[in-house]
Amino acid sequence: QSVLTQPPSVSGAPGQRVTMSCTGSSSNIGAGYDVHWYQQLPGTAPKLLIYGNSNRPSGVPDRFSGSKSGTSASLAITGLQAEDEADYYCQSYDISLSGWVFGGGTKLTVL
Amino acid sequence: EVQLVESGGGLVQPGGSLKLSCAASGFTFSGSTMHWVRQGSGKGLEWVGRIRSKANNYATVYAASAKGRFIISRDESKNTAYLQMNSLKTEDTAVYYCTRQRGDSSSSPYDYWGQGTLVTVSS
Repeated sequence: QSVLTQPPSVSGAPGQRVTMSCTGSSSNIGAGYDVHWYQQLPGTAPKLLIYGNSNRPSGVPDRFSGSKSGTSASLAITGLQAEDEADYYCQSYDISLSGWVFGGGTKLTVL
Repeated sequence: EVQLVESGGGLVQPGGSLKLSCAASGFTFSGSTMHWVRQGSGKGLEWVGRIRSKANNYATVYAASAKGRFIISRDESKNTAYLQMNSLKTEDTAVYYCTRQRGDSSSSPYDYWGQGTLVTVSS
């Protein structure tokens, strides 16, 4: 059971918009720690997608956006493309555990 | 070009030991905080532990699953971080990634990742 809760899967057709959630608690996201999102394409290492709740690293398309509110965060992808099919993980810090935590991951399927 | 290259993975029996290496290049390793993250087959990412820079006294912290069994160290002269794993259990079977934390805040993200090295614990 992951400290951060993500839906196991989401899907959407090409061109559509999808969102995925990341739910934490008062000891991590709700305590003010930033949420980061990573994209893991099949067979590859994770890649930083969104940092500091809503910031995109250089090279990440603006189709990807992040937000945070209270004890939750969300990742939105607009203009869905086949190459977006991947696993997406949220990550934050947990003060009660004194360590870094990940969500269980959401598998995005492009129909 | 930034590179993190893990090595040292392999097959080890339960109760055995293994030492992983992470060779860094393309960024200032000496000033960077390094983490280890693992991923079991078909499973999610799990944080293992962290080591800070010399300026922060090489401070380490570990996940509960690693505490007392795993030791993270680093050699600045070789730009390499290490993960010494002892008393290995079958549940330690995973791909182990080293990552660089951008900045030293608890809220800093992992901006660089290695390709991972597979550790299999089995008799």
